[in-house]
Amino acid sequence: EPEVTQTPSHQVTQMGQEVILRCVPISNHLYFYWYRQILGQKVEFLVSFYNNEISEKSEIFDDQFSVERPDGSNFTLKIRSTKLEDSAMYFCASSVIQNTDTQYFGPGTRLTVL
Amino acid sequence: KNEVEQSPQNLTAQEGEFITINCSYSVGISALHWLQQHPGGGIVSLFMLSSGKKKHGRLIATINIQEKHSSLHITASHPRDSAVYICAVPNFGNEKLTFGTGTRLTIIP
Repeated sequence: EPEVTQTPSHQVTQMGQEVILRCVPISNHLYFYWYRQILGQKVEFLVSFYNNEISEKSEIFDDQFSVERPDGSNFTLKIRSTKLEDSAMYFCASSVIQNTDTQYFGPGTRLTVL
Repeated sequence: KNEVEQSPQNLTAQEGEFITINCSYSVGISALHWLQQHPGGGIVSLFMLSSGKKKHGRLIATINIQEKHSSLHITASHPRDSAVYICAVPNFGNEKLTFGTGTRLTIIP
């Protein structure tokens, strides 16, 4: 069964460094999402992406964040200058159509900022 | 912004019991998602429903659009059902999902 994959599974970085989290969505899906879950808290929407552009973003998704689909398969989340409070689990998801469709989640990348 | 409330926050039950988890939201929606988060952190989509009832194996999800309420039921619960169950709803007219805080379910053998 097709699945969403994410790399790396765990990333440790120093505060102020740039990180790129990578996702490979399911191949025939058109909508892509990034979510964040700080330890012990609820999942939060970051951004949705369709047709090579951001379609929706939350107030969390400030200028430090960016997303890109650099080729036909990868979908990346970049954090330009990490802060301690960026430490969280980051989930990528994809769906065939938008929010009224089932979203398939990747296994997550645990980001630890020291 | 849609506010999502789940109850209970924690639920411990004996194997075989019938389980009900509730979700209420504040603003009318087009669809509601039920998700399962495993102890290891991975998230699996269980249901996406916009009306009535859906069944998958021992899991049943219902939604009452007028009352802005959904329930997730598990019949003949099993220790492998132990997980956090999360409901999520979109804000009307956009794609941003708002998540509940989750219900942590523990099934004791």
